Amino acid sequence: NAGVTQTPKFQVLKTGQSMTLQCAQDMNHNSMYWYRQDPGMGLRLIYYSASEGTTDKGEVPNGYNVSRLNKREFSLRLESAAPSQTSVYFCASTRTGGNYEQYFGPGTRLTVT
Amino acid sequence: AQSVTQLDSQVPVFEEAPVELRCNYSSSVSVYLFWYVQYPNQGLQLLLKYLSGSTLVESINGFEAEFNKSQTSFHLRKPSVHISDTAEYFCAVSEGTGANNLFFGTGTRLTVIP
Repeated sequence: NAGVTQTPKFQVLKTGQSMTLQCAQDMNHNSMYWYRQDPGMGLRLIYYSASEGTTDKGEVPNGYNVSRLNKREFSLRLESAAPSQTSVYFCASTRTGGNYEQYFGPGTRLTVT
Repeated sequence: AQSVTQLDSQVPVFEEAPVELRCNYSSSVSVYLFWYVQYPNQGLQLLLKYLSGSTLVESINGFEAEFNKSQTSFHLRKPSVHISDTAEYFCAVSEGTGANNLFFGTGTRLTVIP
């Protein structure tokens, strides 16, 4: 099993450009998540998807959109990138049920200039 | 929503010395508790978890954490650290409802000094 995979690993964007971060998991998990990690702030939840076909806002959703394409894939889109979106983005997944840990991808390091 | 506090942002410690990384959470409802570790330029890996039962949980590499319900704490300890333990450690809490969202602390960077 590959676990949770993310593409790309690194990306540099100019202000105003758009891009989509891809995430896929092969563990048959129902729930998937997008986080951003900034120094001194830990991980903050951007969006999550409790099951295929549903998505919900997390703590910091402004400037982002998501798509739960199918059970395996959950993408994050920046429509008009801003320097404040410079961050490391992590995708995670878990089984539904309440007592299962989340499994994380390796992250995407995004710089917006 | 839960609030998770990791008071120490950085903890330097000499090799083979003991260490404690502190974690407190806000809610008194039933929770599931996790410690994750992040090595440089990597994603997060689960270190250990408390779901129910014994309040002392252990990892395979010598870390342990104790769930203290009255103090709403889940401190991480290791009696003797190694250079390889240098990493960032995150405490996380789940209420086990809905989408099983995790609430993270801001992290503690552990640096082991030779």
